Amino acid sequence: AQSVSQHNHHVILSEAASLELGCNYSYGGTVNLFWYVQYPGQHLQLLLKYFSGDPLVKGIKGFEAEFIKSKFSFNLRKPSVQWSDTAEYFCAVKHSGGGADGLTFGKGTHLIIQP
Amino acid sequence: DAGVTQSPTHLIKTRGQQVTLRCSPKSGHDTVSWYQQALGQGPQFIFQYYEEEERQRGNFPDRFSGHQFPNYSSELNVNALLLGDSALYLCASSLWTANQPQHFGDGTRLSIL
Repeated sequence: AQSVSQHNHHVILSEAASLELGCNYSYGGTVNLFWYVQYPGQHLQLLLKYFSGDPLVKGIKGFEAEFIKSKFSFNLRKPSVQWSDTAEYFCAVKHSGGGADGLTFGKGTHLIIQP
Repeated sequence: DAGVTQSPTHLIKTRGQQVTLRCSPKSGHDTVSWYQQALGQGPQFIFQYYEEEERQRGNFPDRFSGHQFPNYSSELNVNALLLGDSALYLCASSLWTANQPQHFGDGTRLSIL
């Protein structure tokens, strides 16, 4: 069974600091990878996705992630965080392609940005 | 463009009861997936529906069942509720045939007393 591991459950940063959230997955096949964000009181929103091609993907709000196949990793980065980035961040994986496949999520990282 | 809508937003039940949660997918989507998110955890996949059939199922007991209607909307039914079923239940919609991400609704908060 596939699994997703997010290394940090709670992260506290000051505004303008750089951010990197770790994500590793276990799955022996071709995958699609996602980062979702859940702002307080809001639904899960897609930050960025990787399906194929360039392993460095850019998402909304200045976030990016790099897929390193050899390390089974898909870390999320942002050069300079803002107070409004305070949220819960989830890494998720599914088998590549369309058709039946639910997402497997990590446990999430609670990010707090201090002004 | 309507996103994924779920009802009700909150629900309180007692142990042993049965509950039905509802989901309308984003316009143009044909596939609905259901997830359970316990407090402090990531969402866990329950099952996925396409063409009114359950296509894939996660590690959940038969007490959890679902249905998809011809208009692509879906229901999640849970029988013989347990205290451990207290969670946020999320519905997500997507397209079956393409590499497209799933779009999530706001969820239904189910509390079991």
